[in-house]
Amino acid sequence: DAKTTQPNSMESNEEEPVHLPCNHSTISGTDYIHWYRQLPSQGPEYVIHGLTSNVNNRMASLAIAEDRKSSTLILHRATLRDAAVYYCILRAPYNQGGKLIFGQGTELSVKP
Amino acid sequence: NAGVTQTPKFQVLKTGQSMTLQCAQDMNHNSMYWYRQDPGMGLRLIYYSASEGTTDKGEVPNGYNVSRLNKREFSLRLESAAPSQTSVYFCASTGLQGEFFGPGTRLTVL
Repeated sequence: DAKTTQPNSMESNEEEPVHLPCNHSTISGTDYIHWYRQLPSQGPEYVIHGLTSNVNNRMASLAIAEDRKSSTLILHRATLRDAAVYYCILRAPYNQGGKLIFGQGTELSVKP
Repeated sequence: NAGVTQTPKFQVLKTGQSMTLQCAQDMNHNSMYWYRQDPGMGLRLIYYSASEGTTDKGEVPNGYNVSRLNKREFSLRLESAAPSQTSVYFCASTGLQGEFFGPGTRLTVL
């Protein structure tokens, strides 16, 4: 499974946008880019995923570089409830036996 | 829809004791997974089941066994618990939007 590199921690102010980077230079052509987050004392929660094009949903946006070697999770207006560890994960398609392999993630803290 | 449920929520074992962690999902998902998470670490995959009747090893399978009882249920068994198995255990199942995780079982082995 291809690896990802994320900063260990980031800090943001409440109601400001947050850009969480992820490098994945060894990504293969069929790997999807998944983002999960884990709030304190909870299980991980799906945030967003994409393959080549940028993606938007009610939680966040995912910007994928043209060469797919990096991506950025964008929280448009951080709230205190967004403080969590964010994991960027590469995953082969489900029908190819793709599994989530978690790295260390980025711990996001949000200041009021 | 309860999603993914796990029992028990907490458990304390003595070294050498055995126990089974239960997991069930009501979303009709084919794939189910067991992870462990040690303090300050990301999740590590123990075992997974791509479909009813199949199971495969993940990153850290030693000391564990699993059973995919039916499509809904996937259990994790510790035959002889060791202090190194003290961890939080998460079960998950996979749907179109990704994996759905249970609330976790916090296990302490003394």
